[in-house]
Amino acid sequence: AQSVSQHNHHVILSEAASLELGCNYSYGGTVNLFWYVQYPGQHLQLLLKYFSGDPLVKGIKGFEAEFIKSKFSFNLRKPSVQWSDTAEYFCAVKDGNTGKLIFGQGTTLQVKP
Amino acid sequence: DAMVIQNPRYQVTQFGKPVTLSCSQTLNHNVMYWYQQKSSQAPKLLFHYYDKDFNNEADTPDNFQSRRPNTSFCFLDIRSPGLGDAAMYLCATSRVRGLGMNTEAFFGQGTRLTVV
Repeated sequence: AQSVSQHNHHVILSEAASLELGCNYSYGGTVNLFWYVQYPGQHLQLLLKYFSGDPLVKGIKGFEAEFIKSKFSFNLRKPSVQWSDTAEYFCAVKDGNTGKLIFGQGTTLQVKP
Repeated sequence: DAMVIQNPRYQVTQFGKPVTLSCSQTLNHNVMYWYQQKSSQAPKLLFHYYDKDFNNEADTPDNFQSRRPNTSFCFLDIRSPGLGDAAMYLCATSRVRGLGMNTEAFFGQGTRLTVV
């Protein structure tokens, strides 16, 4: 069965610190991978996506993620966070054949100014 | 232009009174989803359609039903809403066409359901 796990539930960083949020999935078939962000009181916004090709993908707002197939991981990174990055971050995995899309539990990122 | 439209944006219903939420799309995507999202939680997949094939999640309560009469429309029926069903309900669509043709999910604005 398809599953997604995010290791960090709550992360607190100071501005300019580097960020890495872990995401592991469990599924042996073709997967599409995503990171979404949800700012307080707002809707989900797509940060970046991976379908195939270069395993290092760049998204909006300076975020990037690396797909490591052997580790079933899709970790999110940002070299230098800003106070405005304070939000909830969700990793999501889509079954490339059936379309089923599920989300990880989410990571709350708090950036201190 | 809105591509995934949910109506209504806000819905207040009485405890135990059936309610229907609707979703329409202009993207012609073959997959449609319904998610429940409660405050500070991740979206929880209730079910999804791949074309006309309905896929129910094992832990989705029987109280929740869905209909997809055609490609463009999908409905979420809550037969007897309880206080615990108060949440944001998100509809989304995506395309699955095989290698190289898939898309990400496109979400509607959501319907905020309040049960009184």
